[in-house]
Amino acid sequence: DQQVKQNSPSLSVQEGRISILNCDYTNSMFDYFLWYKKYPAEGPTFLISISSIKDKNEDGRFTVFLNKSAKHLSLHIVPSQPGDSAVYFCAASITGANSKLTFGKGITLSVRP
Amino acid sequence: SAVISQKPSRDICQRGTSLTIQCQVDSQVTMMFWYRQQPGQSLTLIATANQGSEATYESGFVIDKFPISRPNLTFSTLTVSNMSPEDSSIYLCSVHPGSWAQETQYFGPGTRLLVL
Repeated sequence: DQQVKQNSPSLSVQEGRISILNCDYTNSMFDYFLWYKKYPAEGPTFLISISSIKDKNEDGRFTVFLNKSAKHLSLHIVPSQPGDSAVYFCAASITGANSKLTFGKGITLSVRP
Repeated sequence: SAVISQKPSRDICQRGTSLTIQCQVDSQVTMMFWYRQQPGQSLTLIATANQGSEATYESGFVIDKFPISRPNLTFSTLTVSNMSPEDSSIYLCSVHPGSWAQETQYFGPGTRLLVL
């Protein structure tokens, strides 16, 4: 049973435009959410996170939105750059549950110059 | 964030053999984890490496197949035993530095394993 779902396997956007990456979860106990970026032949790199007490967290070009009632979060990248082309993983955890992370399958983002 | 290294970065192994993967962190960390990413799949937690005691395994993973050591707060090993082609994956270690990082984990570069 996939508790964290990234239903779109890939996304292609033009450089300078907005990239919106979506993630859904089923476990209502999750209260902390993270996005990781992964380049080929490298480990995942932490990008941004959000606690369930917030509905938005922003860090430079990256903003994560959380809609708890819909069990949905999204990562917005504005403006998108060719260097953002990578696989993006959504992850979720339950605070205090030994820091375990549950990951989605990832979305491959391609930013066209 | 912590700097994490893994050895080897990749390997090609014959079925029935075993491979030990090392994970080294540049600072003492509270928790270390081992993940597997099979081709086209998400990252799946294998176990939590506990310092000075037996690892805590997730459902579907057993100590006989994936023995783990963690002799101190900066180092851990994962052994993939009696390998089969189904074990071909990327194996990643991650760390949780401490309470200040909430639940954020930081990952090593991964070990790409191909079993023939």
